[in-house]
Amino acid sequence: DADVTQTPRNRITKTGKRIMLECSQTKGHDRMYWYRQDPGLGLRLIYYSFDVKDINKGEISDGYSVSRQAQAKFSLSLESAIPNQTALYFCATSDLGHNTDTQYFGPGTRLTVL
Amino acid sequence: QKEVEQDPGPLSVPEGAIVSLNCTYSNSAFQYFMWYRQYSRKGPELLMYTYSSGNKEDGRFTAQVDKSSKYISLFIRDSQPSDSATYLCAMSTGYSSASKIIFGSGTRLSIRP
Repeated sequence: DADVTQTPRNRITKTGKRIMLECSQTKGHDRMYWYRQDPGLGLRLIYYSFDVKDINKGEISDGYSVSRQAQAKFSLSLESAIPNQTALYFCATSDLGHNTDTQYFGPGTRLTVL
Repeated sequence: QKEVEQDPGPLSVPEGAIVSLNCTYSNSAFQYFMWYRQYSRKGPELLMYTYSSGNKEDGRFTAQVDKSSKYISLFIRDSQPSDSATYLCAMSTGYSSASKIIFGSGTRLSIRP
């Protein structure tokens, strides 16, 4: 079984709809992240959480919100989706050790906003 | 100016060739340098990481860091069609809770059989 799972894998929605993307992990890591990936722009950090009570905005948090329901679960919401939020969304986890912060990614959610 | 710059490619080489992938960066505080490989329709996976300057070798892959020039490289020897993927460089300052990883935009690599 995959260590980091994301649901749904694909979603098509309309402008103005509320969307939730979910991420679960079995790695036992404290840190979880949400990124979006766009061609030519690479991975950009939306939100990150270092533990259940810690939520931080990333580079591009406007229009997004998150919820850390448990150590293993981190959800990303688009309150009112717009077309420029069409992208590939990745959840990632990490566990700080030896001063490195390597991340483990889920398979991604392809979101299309019409 | 982006903190991390990476040529997007695409880069196409014949099987067996040596591949060189590169990134430049502007933040001299970066100490940890990583290369991720991303196959089509998959999430990135960590390929190699290095600390500070120097080389690190793992099989056919060699990661090289030149902090004085703010330049990192990934070399792939005896390239195989299975190496066809997008390669993302990434780096961080590595300072505990303040550490965040900054990714390059990725280089798309194609190995021709």
